[in-house]
Amino acid sequence: GNSVTQMEGPVTLSEEAFLTINCTYTATGYPSLFWYVQYPGEGLQLLLKATKADDKGSNKGFEATYRKETTSFHLEKGSVQVSDSAVYFCALSAQYGNKLVFGAGTILRVKS
Amino acid sequence: ETGVTQSPTHLIKTRGQQVTLRCSSQSGHNTVSWYQQALGQGPQFIFQYYREEENGRGNFPPRFSGLQFPNYSSELNVNALELDDSALYLCASSSGGESSYNEQFFGPGTRLTVL
Repeated sequence: GNSVTQMEGPVTLSEEAFLTINCTYTATGYPSLFWYVQYPGEGLQLLLKATKADDKGSNKGFEATYRKETTSFHLEKGSVQVSDSAVYFCALSAQYGNKLVFGAGTILRVKS
Repeated sequence: ETGVTQSPTHLIKTRGQQVTLRCSSQSGHNTVSWYQQALGQGPQFIFQYYREEENGRGNFPPRFSGLQFPNYSSELNVNALELDDSALYLCASSSGGESSYNEQFFGPGTRLTVL
């Protein structure tokens, strides 16, 4: 079946540090890939998405590239801020059907 | 434009009881999906409703059931509650049914505690 594996946290960084959160997936066909963010006490918000191989999703300084050859969708940001502290979820949606399969989430803590 | 809303915010039940959670979808959306998020884990897909019909179900027992109404709002019902049902229940709405490209918009969730 379809699954998503992402790096365990928590990840603790100082402000302005470079961020990478690894995500790999297993899926049949050509899934769409997503990063969602969950701030404390809130629901999930879509951060970025990519719908086909080699697509790069980007938003608010975050980027991720859909790599079919390595089945990966790693999240990166060049300079994190304290306000980026949250839980980040990598997810996929199968080619047919809009059901999301999520990874376990990675807690990011940014210190000033 | 109103976003996805869920009620109640928090709920405490005892084992064996039944619970109903409610979700109002975003304007213009005809598809509602429900997810269970246990503490420290990613959300797990429960089921999806598209134009009032169930359109896919995850690995959850039949005591988890749902409804979608003509205005596309939805209910999640859980019978015979178990301690492991304690979780954050998230509702998400989207348009277009089965297209994997349509963004799902999530509500803030209902925190269910089973004692």
